[in-house]
Amino acid sequence: AQSVTQLDSHVSVSEGTPVLLRCNYSSSYSPSLFWYVQHPNKGLQLLLKYTSAATLVKGINGFEAEFKKSETSFHLTKPSAHMSDAAEYFCVVSGPPSDKLTFGTGTQLKVEL
Amino acid sequence: DAGVTQSPTHLIKTRGQQVTLRCSPKSGHDTVSWYQQALGQGPQFIFQYYEEEERQRGNFPDRFSGHQFPNYSSELNVNALLLGDSALYLCASSLDRVPSTDTQYFGPGTRLTVL
Repeated sequence: AQSVTQLDSHVSVSEGTPVLLRCNYSSSYSPSLFWYVQHPNKGLQLLLKYTSAATLVKGINGFEAEFKKSETSFHLTKPSAHMSDAAEYFCVVSGPPSDKLTFGTGTQLKVEL
Repeated sequence: DAGVTQSPTHLIKTRGQQVTLRCSPKSGHDTVSWYQQALGQGPQFIFQYYEEEERQRGNFPDRFSGHQFPNYSSELNVNALLLGDSALYLCASSLDRVPSTDTQYFGPGTRLTVL
């Protein structure tokens, strides 16, 4: 069985300050990990994915995440938040024996002026 | 290159009715997965279709069924609708190349409201 836990349901930051969205995973196998973003009334967009290559993964729009096996974590970061980053973010795990995606409960990111 | 498309965008049904949702995968993709996203929650895996067969299934009752056509498009059918079936239904497509590593691309979803 595999699962992810998003440690914060809501995160609020000021524009221009760093963003940290926390995610811990559980998997019996070597997992694939993803971060997806969902803007209001829009579909899910892939930000980045980890598939057992480099542990520091760079994604779109300046986001990156670091896979830490010892801590079973895959936290999402961005050095400087922009108003357009306000959205719901989902940490997702996938792995054998099936490739279905298992989503976390989401973190709502609010960016204030 | 069109991405994943879904129809209809919105749908309102009453309890006990049946509904069919449709999905066209991204060009070149052969695998379609369906997810249910209830309000305020993360998407939940319903099932996945590959080569016109249901390959795997999540914890959903038999009222939820699907189909994949030779052109890889897919339908999700829900019978005997319940109020709790109200949700955003998302379709995702991928290429069955390396399972568990290939990226799934999502459509915008169909918002189903059951009254």
